[in-house]
Amino acid sequence: DIVLTQSPGTLSLSPGERATLSCRASQSVVSTYLAWFRQKPGQAPSLLIYGVSNRAPGIPDRFSGSGSGTDFTLTIDRLEPEDFAVYYCQQYGSSSWTFGQGTKVEIK
Amino acid sequence: QVQLVQSGAEVKKPGASVKVSCKASGYTFTAYAIHWVRQAPGQRLEWVGWINSANDNAKYARKFQGRVSITRDTSANTAYMELSRLRSGDTALYYCARDYYDGSGYYYWDFWGQGTLVTVSS
Repeated sequence: DIVLTQSPGTLSLSPGERATLSCRASQSVVSTYLAWFRQKPGQAPSLLIYGVSNRAPGIPDRFSGSGSGTDFTLTIDRLEPEDFAVYYCQQYGSSSWTFGQGTKVEIK
Repeated sequence: QVQLVQSGAEVKKPGASVKVSCKASGYTFTAYAIHWVRQAPGQRLEWVGWINSANDNAKYARKFQGRVSITRDTSANTAYMELSRLRSGDTALYYCARDYYDGSGYYYWDFWGQGTLVTVSS
């Protein structure tokens, strides 16, 4: 299975700042199948980005995704209070879906 | 509006089985696959398996092969995940999620159930 490693583990930022989250894969990932999710405390994950850079319906443009091959980035401009949460990258390959271990974005 | 509503929390003894349901509404159930993932305390999300809601074809993560069965009942718009020979390491929050196809080559998990806590304890 492809292993996804996210960094940093925790990001301490203030509202209004920019967050840059990294997701590195152990093998090349098909771009169509790279997604990002946000999980707020006590809630199920919710889709932010699919296909590396496509925002899910209703997701504001301060969320953007980029990358290819084994290195992917989620950028959140102008952090809002609801953005302080845990973020997961996800990929599909070799008939299996895997997730990163998560990056927690916390209020500084 | 699309909703996936899961069954309630379960407490099971080691060696027992558990069956969790995921009732879909707000869309044509057979149009999209359903995935099951779990989240153990302090662990990453872990894919368990999925089912093609149209033809009942299910596939499982290697780790769960032989211990998990994912089925669906189209008359009830419901998918099920049954995990057998439970052990303490299976204690987790189990989620179902819809696998949506947007018609332009992209598949993504756009709606999730609220999660079902399965606790395995003697």
